[in-house]
Amino acid sequence: KAGVTQTPRYLIKTRGQQVTLSCSPISGHRSVSWYQQTPGQGLQFLFEYFSETQRNKGNFPGRFSGRQFSNSRSEMNVSTLELGDSALYLCASSQVTDTQYFGPGTRLTVL
Amino acid sequence: DQQVKQNSPSLSVQEGRISILNCDYTNSMFDYFLWYKKYPAEGPTFLISISSIKDKNEDGRFTVFLNKSAKHLSLHIVPSQPGDSAVYFCAASARDDKIIFGKGTRLHILP
Repeated sequence: KAGVTQTPRYLIKTRGQQVTLSCSPISGHRSVSWYQQTPGQGLQFLFEYFSETQRNKGNFPGRFSGRQFSNSRSEMNVSTLELGDSALYLCASSQVTDTQYFGPGTRLTVL
Repeated sequence: DQQVKQNSPSLSVQEGRISILNCDYTNSMFDYFLWYKKYPAEGPTFLISISSIKDKNEDGRFTVFLNKSAKHLSLHIVPSQPGDSAVYFCAASARDDKIIFGKGTRLHILP
């Protein structure tokens, strides 16, 4: 089976812009979670989608949003980018167990 | 409030010796615990997990111990190998809830 894929792998944006990141889960996985990784904060949970519905949400501002499509692919959107949004954004998929399989991440740099 | 804490940002261990990575948690509702390993420029990969009904789970060189009364778990790697040099994340979840990650411990295996 192919693993979790994320596109793009690298992205450079400027403050105030918006960005959309994409995640394709492992085939058959219906749950997709998004995380932000920064050097000081480790892995912080953004949100989880299951069968196109947001099931859980972390403590991030409303500028961070996501959605999941009927084929389980998911997108994450960040509007009005701030310098502090520079991070590695990781997507993880799972079936119904708690074991998640992570993609390689999208490295976002905000200038 | 950090619900999952990895108090050692880094750890250095001689090759061939035992590596012990520690993790503390505060939420008594957590009933499933996981360890992930992350190399630079890659997403985290699942290593080993343990349910709260157990106090030990072993998989090859990796053993996870859970002490529920102390709200503490540890990952033992024996013997440590150069390829074990990575960042290790401890994670925990309560049933049907999001997975909470610690900030990670960087393990250096010394030749």
